[in-house]
Amino acid sequence: NAGVTQTPKFRILKIGQSMTLQCTQDMNHNYMYWYRQDPGMGLKLIYYSVGAGITDKGEVPNGYNVSRSTTEDFPLRLELAAPSQTSVYFCASTAGNTIYFGEGSWLTVV
Amino acid sequence: AQTVTQSQPEMSVQEAETVTLSCTYDTSENNYYLFWYKQPPSRQMILVIRQEAYKQQNATENRFSVNFQKAAKSFSLKISDSQLGDTAMYFCAFMEVGDMRFGAGTRLTVKP
Repeated sequence: NAGVTQTPKFRILKIGQSMTLQCTQDMNHNYMYWYRQDPGMGLKLIYYSVGAGITDKGEVPNGYNVSRSTTEDFPLRLELAAPSQTSVYFCASTAGNTIYFGEGSWLTVV
Repeated sequence: AQTVTQSQPEMSVQEAETVTLSCTYDTSENNYYLFWYKQPPSRQMILVIRQEAYKQQNATENRFSVNFQKAAKSFSLKISDSQLGDTAMYFCAFMEVGDMRFGAGTRLTVKP
């Protein structure tokens, strides 16, 4: 019973590098989300998707891109990493009444 | 956009006592869900309790209960018989189809 799986769990990036955070869920959920959590803060919505082929911006989308080619996968792309993107990233999914979270991806940009 | 406000950045409570965490939200929707999540230092997000807006009865899960006031857009969490393991960040969250927003969190410390 995998639930929501995020990879990698930890990553250090240099300024200007790019990378993709992977997120997969095996619950056939239509809705998927990416959040970031800065130290001592709450979760901010980056992007979300209501189904395959449909994505939309959240509160803090700048510097990120997403795609949703399948129901299961919702990767988050960071282009030209900046120190301000140092954060913990959470992927989540829902069928409508309960959110399931991945364990988080700790990203440091130096 | 919906907003969620937690006005208590930090709270503390003695072990075995009761504590209430506050949350207010703003929405023009009528159907939605409200949640309280617990986040220990591991950063794992743990669902504590969920409330459906169309249900008038307040949700209860063991030592955790909510006071849901729909007209006032208030959703507080009461923790009874506090335990040391309840020490964590607590986030209030609002969900309407397609969007879910979180409050800034309340750091709860349970003292022995």
